Amino acid sequence: QYVLSQPPSASGTPGQRVTISCSGSSSNIGRNPVNWYQQLPGAAPRLLIYNSNQRPSGVPDRFFASKSGASASLAMSGLQSDDEADYYCSTWDDSLKGLVFGGGTKVTVL
Amino acid sequence: VQLVQSGTEVRKPGASVKVSCKASGYTFSKYDINWVRQAAGQGLEWMGWMNPNSRHTGSAQKFQGRLTMTTNTSISTAYMELTSLQFEDSAIYFCARAESTYFGPRLYYFEHWGQGALVTVSS
Repeated sequence: QYVLSQPPSASGTPGQRVTISCSGSSSNIGRNPVNWYQQLPGAAPRLLIYNSNQRPSGVPDRFFASKSGASASLAMSGLQSDDEADYYCSTWDDSLKGLVFGGGTKVTVL
Repeated sequence: VQLVQSGTEVRKPGASVKVSCKASGYTFSKYDINWVRQAAGQGLEWMGWMNPNSRHTGSAQKFQGRLTMTTNTSISTAYMELTSLQFEDSAIYFCARAESTYFGPRLYYFEHWGQGALVTVSS
């Protein structure tokens, strides 16, 4: 259903590191930068990472992202209760000529 | 930068809905406006983009023929109209301002989002 594949859930205890993967193909992640969004319940998405590894101002450096080939990942270190949210990867798809999202990963802080 | 959307809408199956997105705090014509929707409990779904300056548009294939995006640059407002509504079109519809590159690898992301407009399709 979603062009980019993400695990549906991830979890960790406070202070732990959690990593979320995002898998695509040569027409999307393999060619174009990846962006990550955080969505808290009932809120609009918030840009977390752009251009595969750049943080907008205000995003703490606990959030780190990388891209290799047709896959990308988002890592959150020093997990906090505030990090409990849905996380989405996104990029442009040259074949579809449009933007694609992953299905989202729900992060739970145990 | 602020994007303020119109409010909740309820429509019957087969009807149309038009959602507005009023921009402020920047030069409206300089950035694409995109539309993204989210059904209850589901993920984000990209619908399409419009350049307010050129009036060029692009959309996901599943919406072609049903989706019309327009802008009124005199009041810095973008509109999204979806026709032939079905129950599965019930969702929150977001507008978002795109930051993008057009040469080389396509960087395309949204730093600014509207608050969302709930559209419910119910008989």
